[in-house]
Amino acid sequence: DADVTQTPRNRITKTGKRIMLECSQTKGHDRMYWYRQDPGLGLRLIYYSFDVKDINKGEISDGYSVSRQAQAKFSLSLESAIPNQTALYFCATSDLGGLYNEQFFGPGTRLTVL
Amino acid sequence: QQQVKQSPQSLIVQKGGIPIINCAYENTAFDYFPWYQQFPGKGPALLIAIRPDVSEKKEGRFTISFNKSAKQFSLHIMDSQPGDSATYFCAASMRETSGSRLTFGEGTQLTVNP
Repeated sequence: DADVTQTPRNRITKTGKRIMLECSQTKGHDRMYWYRQDPGLGLRLIYYSFDVKDINKGEISDGYSVSRQAQAKFSLSLESAIPNQTALYFCATSDLGGLYNEQFFGPGTRLTVL
Repeated sequence: QQQVKQSPQSLIVQKGGIPIINCAYENTAFDYFPWYQQFPGKGPALLIAIRPDVSEKKEGRFTISFNKSAKQFSLHIMDSQPGDSATYFCAASMRETSGSRLTFGEGTQLTVNP
């Protein structure tokens, strides 16, 4: 069944550690996104990619980096995690083309930085 | 600065009531306004969306009302059910990005009591 999957689902780490969150999709979509969700702040865009060769910063990219390894895979890295990066992280995908395209979200990764 | 402001932060209604969630936006270039619904432990999913050339859109029990001059839009849930209990996010985007850059509101946690 076509889906957006995220690994790990939960992660606890310590300040200063490098962390990678992975996203895979079987929808065949070209566009992929990383968001973080914080209570009272909604969802904020970290990075997005329109294809394998295209990476764009979102509104809160500082402290994060991404890699688009293939059309189906988009990874988010925290080079040196800090406590205020504790949040729920979502990957999303959307199709290419059309005026407005629905975004399909994965189940999320809950990250805690101690 | 939050470009899309959403209220209330939380809302409790009885079954059969009509919860209303409000959003206001700043950027007049926004021309697509989706609502996403998120159940606990899940990623958000598109519920309903509107473009500003219409003042209202209805899908089942869910209705978006749109006031372009006031730069406001709202979600109404008719005959609300306990299964509607979820977090609701309004969002906005613009045609130039094919809806790719969604700006989300802060979210509203809705509880519908039996």
